[in-house]
Amino acid sequence: KNEVEQSPQNLTAQEGEFITINCSYSVGISALHWLQQHPGGGIVSLFMLSSGKKKHGRLIATINIQEKHSSLHITASHPRDSAVYICAAGAYNTDKLIFGTGTRLQVFP
Amino acid sequence: DTGVSQDPRHKITKRGQNVTFRCDPISEHNRLYWYRQTLGQGPEFLTYFQNEAQLEKSRLLSDRFSAERPKGSFSTLEIQRTEQGDSAMYLCASSSDIRVREKLFFGSGTQLSVL
Repeated sequence: KNEVEQSPQNLTAQEGEFITINCSYSVGISALHWLQQHPGGGIVSLFMLSSGKKKHGRLIATINIQEKHSSLHITASHPRDSAVYICAAGAYNTDKLIFGTGTRLQVFP
Repeated sequence: DTGVSQDPRHKITKRGQNVTFRCDPISEHNRLYWYRQTLGQGPEFLTYFQNEAQLEKSRLLSDRFSAERPKGSFSTLEIQRTEQGDSAMYLCASSSDIRVREKLFFGSGTQLSVL
């Protein structure tokens, strides 16, 4: 079993739909990262959080430390949101990230 | 451009050849990470540097792999005697200090194809 699990692996949506991507982890963490990867490899850091909730534009990230679970929400999804979204755990007392396998999102007009 | 840059973007090589990749991090960042990503998978940690010191290496990093960051600025990753299983995207990332509570900034990666 991977230390960081994401669901779903693939997600399709119509433009305007509300999207939720889930991440569960089994390690103690100091921070949880959400990243976006577009075709061609470029990875952009979206959020880094250790508690509560963060919002940036149409993106919202939440984390429940007790349940070891985080979610990434996209409101009013748009075709330009199509990408792979990756959850990564910054395990406690280490200096590297443990990545999930990613969720491939396709938003159709 | 003050982002993380990697060179080359693509590398095609024959099995058994040596290859070297370069990463230039954001200038004020003293942490530099190398990751490897294969199709459909998340990135896997290879190694990281704090300034010029290589602090951790993954078991994935066989003796054919070596990484350096001689002056604490750019880094190189060399693969000797490449094998087809080395084909992957090699990603570099940098951050300022303080463990993984800081955002990582990634380069666009070097796509390696070993024929």
